[in-house]
Amino acid sequence: NAGVTQTPKFQVLKTGQSMTLQCAQDMNHEYMSWYRQDPGMGLRLIHYSVGAGITDQGEVPNGYNVSRSTTEDFPLRLLSAAPSQTSVYFCASSTQGQGETQYFGPGTRLLVL
Amino acid sequence: SQQGEEDPQALSIQEGENATMNCSYKTSINNLQWYRQNSGRGLVHLILIRSNEREKHSGRLRVTLDTSKKSSSLLITASRAADTASYFCATFGGGSNYKLTFGKGTLLTVNP
Repeated sequence: NAGVTQTPKFQVLKTGQSMTLQCAQDMNHEYMSWYRQDPGMGLRLIHYSVGAGITDQGEVPNGYNVSRSTTEDFPLRLLSAAPSQTSVYFCASSTQGQGETQYFGPGTRLLVL
Repeated sequence: SQQGEEDPQALSIQEGENATMNCSYKTSINNLQWYRQNSGRGLVHLILIRSNEREKHSGRLRVTLDTSKKSSSLLITASRAADTASYFCATFGGGSNYKLTFGKGTLLTVNP
């Protein structure tokens, strides 16, 4: 049981490039979410999904897209990277929603030059 | 906003001492969750306490919730160097506000 996995662990992008951060969970959780963590800001919710085929915006969705074609996977796409998107990104999952225990992945550290 | 705010921002203690971290919030909540984050790692869930609960224990951890004061505390007893980490509280909204909002965390350093 691997829990929540994220790839890559670290990525450097140039401004304007696009990329996809991968997230997968093997706990059959319906709810998955993406957060970004910046110094002094805590964790901020980017997008979330309550099940396959259903996604919604969080607190800071601009510049990011998500899709949920399977229960297991929830990729986060950066459409055109900007230096302001330099951050550490965490994927999380739970059985039903934000009111339950969240299981976090190890994170992806992204640097946009 | 009902974001939890942790206090203090940083805490340094000696091994064996107790560590207390506090979390305050502004509006009613459904539950409050505490997480630990070791440097460079993901967050790990510690304890979830519901609004109708006053105290929960897990090993050396004790969490209290005072809804009248809109505050919670996390007590780590007999701390160890391995407890060195950042600790976050997260509030889950009551009523129709189904949002989980994280605070900025308390950095705990336990010196050997």
